Amino acid sequence: AQTVTQSQPEMSVQEAETVTLSCTYDTSESDYYLFWYKQPPSRQMILVIRQEAYKQQNATENRFSVNFQKAAKSFSLKISDSQLGDAAMYFCAYRSAIEGNTGKLIFGQGTTLQVKP
Amino acid sequence: SAVISQKPSRDICQRGTSLTIQCQVDSQVTMMFWYRQQPGQSLTLIATANQGSEATYESGFVIDKFPISRPNLTFSTLTVSNMSPEDSSIYLCSVEVMGRGTEAFFGQGTRLTVV
Repeated sequence: AQTVTQSQPEMSVQEAETVTLSCTYDTSESDYYLFWYKQPPSRQMILVIRQEAYKQQNATENRFSVNFQKAAKSFSLKISDSQLGDAAMYFCAYRSAIEGNTGKLIFGQGTTLQVKP
Repeated sequence: SAVISQKPSRDICQRGTSLTIQCQVDSQVTMMFWYRQQPGQSLTLIATANQGSEATYESGFVIDKFPISRPNLTFSTLTVSNMSPEDSSIYLCSVEVMGRGTEAFFGQGTRLTVV
């Protein structure tokens, strides 16, 4: 079975600075997807960034980028130029790409990010 | 993107009663899921809602406690039955949408408190 681990329950960053959130996962599958979701106090889950395992290039979305290390099964999220609106809980998630898989997501424990003005 | 309407947004219920949560999507859905998020915790999949057939439950979740219906592609309900305080959680509907690949969209969740 697949597992996702976020070892940082809480992180803080100064506004305009850069912060990196860690995520490791375990799987025997070779093809899968990894995601970072943001959950602000409103409870709305928002997709931040997605990575396909078969792609070597790290995904980037504006101020958000990932460091995907497939061999090490590591998938960290870097937030540059942090803004007050980035404060939220961040979840790392895994989805199998095997045909016939239901598409369910396996989530890490979450990291609460505080942004200090 | 998909717009997901989940109702109710919150409720306070007496133990021993049941609550039905609705999830309505404005797009053609390929997959539909129900997750539970206990206070301060991560999301755990309850079940995959299958159109016109019984839902597929994850280990630790049973149909008698969490009956699910999905009569068509865009609508599903989750019932939390015979509630106890341990059922106090946020319940979230999630979907994958045709043409959007593997991106999952989420409803705003239902915050349930059982007293």
